[in-house]
Amino acid sequence: GENVEQHPSTLSVQEGDSAVIKCTYSDSASNYFPWYKQELGKGPQLIIDIRSNVGEKKDQRIAVTLNKTAKHFSLHITETQPEDSAVYFCAAYYSYNQGGKLIFGQGTELSVKP
Amino acid sequence: NAGVTQTPKFQVLKTGQSMTLQCAQDMNHNSMYWYRQDPGMGLRLIYYSASEGTTDKGEVPNGYNVSRLNKREFSLRLESAAPSQTSVYFCASSEFSDYGYTFGSGTRLTVV
Repeated sequence: GENVEQHPSTLSVQEGDSAVIKCTYSDSASNYFPWYKQELGKGPQLIIDIRSNVGEKKDQRIAVTLNKTAKHFSLHITETQPEDSAVYFCAAYYSYNQGGKLIFGQGTELSVKP
Repeated sequence: NAGVTQTPKFQVLKTGQSMTLQCAQDMNHNSMYWYRQDPGMGLRLIYYSASEGTTDKGEVPNGYNVSRLNKREFSLRLESAAPSQTSVYFCASSEFSDYGYTFGSGTRLTVV
């Protein structure tokens, strides 16, 4: 069935270190994988996404990698800063006859200590 | 641009009461969604509307109904609220279903 597993559930790093969050998905037909950042009291905000025809995508300090064979994808944040502290969600797109939908992972609470 | 607007932001209901959560987007998006967020469970899809005139069940549709009123608006109705429906509800929209979603700021609902 539709499933996205996300690890770890919490992650604490020192400012300047790198952070990595990993997700696995169940449907090999999934072809779109976004990542969202949620700050306290706000809705999730899209920070980066990747499609299945690409293995890696970067945007400044953020990168996402995709391994279609293993059905997993990862978020990498380099040179972390205190403002990176938030909850991060991965998602995978599942398509159906009338369209499709995103299924989200359980979230990772990232804490960056000054 | 306002993006996705949800009302109300906070609501307390008694068990058995009904209410409608409102959502409107001004980005001319085709697809709209309702999610609920509970601690440790991420975002779970309640219902979605791939395009105006269509709606489909998500992962947790029981106890909810939806109406895609027009291209801009997608409402979520609780006919008889239960304590298990205490949650934060998010509406989202996207140009197409496999594009990035824009989320609203959420409605925090407590059922007592």
